[in-house]
Amino acid sequence: RKEVEQDPGPFNVPEGATVAFNCTYSNSASQSFFWYRQDCRKEPKLLMSVYSSGNEDGRFTAQLNRASQYISLLIRDSKLSDSATYLCVVTRLSNDMRFGAGTRLTVKP
Amino acid sequence: GAGVSQSPSNKVTEKGKDVELRCDPISGHTALYWYRQRLGQGLEFLIYFQGNSAPDKSGLPSDRFSAERTGESVSTLTIQRTQQEDSAVYLCASSKHAGQGYNEQFFGPGTRLTVL
Repeated sequence: RKEVEQDPGPFNVPEGATVAFNCTYSNSASQSFFWYRQDCRKEPKLLMSVYSSGNEDGRFTAQLNRASQYISLLIRDSKLSDSATYLCVVTRLSNDMRFGAGTRLTVKP
Repeated sequence: GAGVSQSPSNKVTEKGKDVELRCDPISGHTALYWYRQRLGQGLEFLIYFQGNSAPDKSGLPSDRFSAERTGESVSTLTIQRTQQEDSAVYLCASSKHAGQGYNEQFFGPGTRLTVL
């Protein structure tokens, strides 16, 4: 079993839709959690951190459930520019990062 | 300021040849990472450098893979006797000293390696 698992998608949604991705992790000692975004043929970039209390950044909301060992990303009012692959990242130590395979999102007009 | 740079951007080689990939991290970043990303796959951790500490080589898939870093600057990833399964994008990332907290990793554009 992979340490970090994501539904690869693709998720195809119309503009304005709300879409949610989940990511599960297997190592209960995991300490920090993040979502990275990767555009086609580009490098990954940090989208947002995920805190136990949940956090929101504009149209994006990230949540962590330590008991069930999953994190989620919710995108509201999706835009065409949100089309990308969303990578779930879990760390045990600050330098020990494990990336999920990513969930591909396509937002259509 | 300048971001992480990698060279070459594309490399096509024949099976059995050696290749060397280069990464220039952001100035002042003491941590440097190499990842491999096969087509349609996630990032696979290869190796991590932090200052003068011994590198974490736990992700290197075989002894054909090696990496070096000169101080806190340039790093090279070498793949000897390349195989077709080595074809992938090799991504380098750097971050500030990891210490006790997480430091965001900044990625380079990657080197796309194709082994014929």
